[in-house]
Amino acid sequence: GAVVSQHPSWVICKSGTSVKIECRSLDFQATTMFWYRQFPKQSLMLMATSNEGSKATYEQGVEKDKFLINHASLTLSTLTVTSAHPEDSSFYICSARTGGLEQYFGPGTRLTVT
Amino acid sequence: DAKTTQPTSMDCAEGRAANLPCNHSTISGNEYVYWYRQIHSQGPQYIIHGLKNNETNEMASLIITEDRKSSTLILPHATLRDTAVYYCIVSPSNDYKLSFGAGTTVTVRA
Repeated sequence: GAVVSQHPSWVICKSGTSVKIECRSLDFQATTMFWYRQFPKQSLMLMATSNEGSKATYEQGVEKDKFLINHASLTLSTLTVTSAHPEDSSFYICSARTGGLEQYFGPGTRLTVT
Repeated sequence: DAKTTQPTSMDCAEGRAANLPCNHSTISGNEYVYWYRQIHSQGPQYIIHGLKNNETNEMASLIITEDRKSSTLILPHATLRDTAVYYCIVSPSNDYKLSFGAGTTVTVRA
């Protein structure tokens, strides 16, 4: 149980375009979903927290107009990287809470912006 | 400013117990200790969490000292598939955010 999926698993896009990443909880309803970013050889950095039906809360330094988060249902959250640039190339990972304290993570999406 | 301190790396022998230490000397009364691990190029995996009592599940055991200033994650019989970066995280019960540090890179050797 507690499986989280992400789509796509990897994506290559051109500079200036937008990319949408989906995060789904497959066998549970997620009260809260989180988005992280991980650069090579670095640890995960929390970008934002989202609750179904409400606006996401962004961490300091994360541009909310560049990283649009929509948590439309209890099983789906999306992250859209708008006007992507090469410095946005990273490993994006989502996680979800079932209602307990632990979080369950997706497999990650590797974004490369050329 | 990191809330936890972990060794940068450690090696373990396959089939033996792996004991991973974590120091969290400034932990507050309402903060839980969480352990996650990340195998290369994958999303992190939840292992276990605890407040003050020792905890055990099918993956590992968590031993928290009485003063709660440190803990040890025990993998009872390490396998090659346990090679990963292990993160010890403290977080309040009313704040579900996880702040990942550098973790401990554990290499299990045959």
